[in-house]
Amino acid sequence: KAGVTQTPRYLIKTRGQQVTLSCSPISGHRSVSWYQQTPGQGLQFLFEYFSETQRNKGNFPGRFSGRQFSNSRSEMNVSTLELGDSALYLCASSPQGAGGANVLTFGAGSRLTVL
Amino acid sequence: AQTVTQSQPEMSVQEAETVTLSCTYDTSENNYYLFWYKQPPSRQMILVIRQEAYKQQNATENRFSVNFQKAAKSFSLKISDSQLGDTAMYFCAPISLSGGGADGLTFGKGTHLIIQP
Repeated sequence: KAGVTQTPRYLIKTRGQQVTLSCSPISGHRSVSWYQQTPGQGLQFLFEYFSETQRNKGNFPGRFSGRQFSNSRSEMNVSTLELGDSALYLCASSPQGAGGANVLTFGAGSRLTVL
Repeated sequence: AQTVTQSQPEMSVQEAETVTLSCTYDTSENNYYLFWYKQPPSRQMILVIRQEAYKQQNATENRFSVNFQKAAKSFSLKISDSQLGDTAMYFCAPISLSGGGADGLTFGKGTHLIIQP
């Protein structure tokens, strides 16, 4: 069974640009969640999607958005990039969401550098 | 809101030794799960072990076990017979069951565990 696939693995952008990251979950998993990991703030929850609907969102500005397609693949978008957006962005999938028997399986992440 | 404290930013032990990583959390929930994840240098987060808060028996997974003290809101991870491959960042994360699966995990800041040969 293929794992969670995130693309691209590395990317460099400049301030003001926008970026789109992609996440393909494990086959059969309907929930995809996104996390931002930085040295200063650690791992922070961005949002969670289930069956193409955003069910929850972390404390991030509106520049961070996402969506989920009918095949459960998800994308997240960051507009008007700031230096502080430099981070490792992790995607995780599970059958129905986090908690209980629904263990999150993480991808390898997308490393974003904003110059 | 949940808060998670991992008081040991970094630990270093010799191979084959036993090491315990500490985690305390604060939650108003009564039903929740607790997880330990590891993140090796490859960056891929991997589940180590999980504990259901309503179970008194501590979870074990091969060389990994937890000491769960619900009243104290403490969830420590013990690694026995440590191996070089255990070198990684370790994160503690509780999650409420009331969110219906939509909640995000609240991670601690992590403990960088280094296993020395």
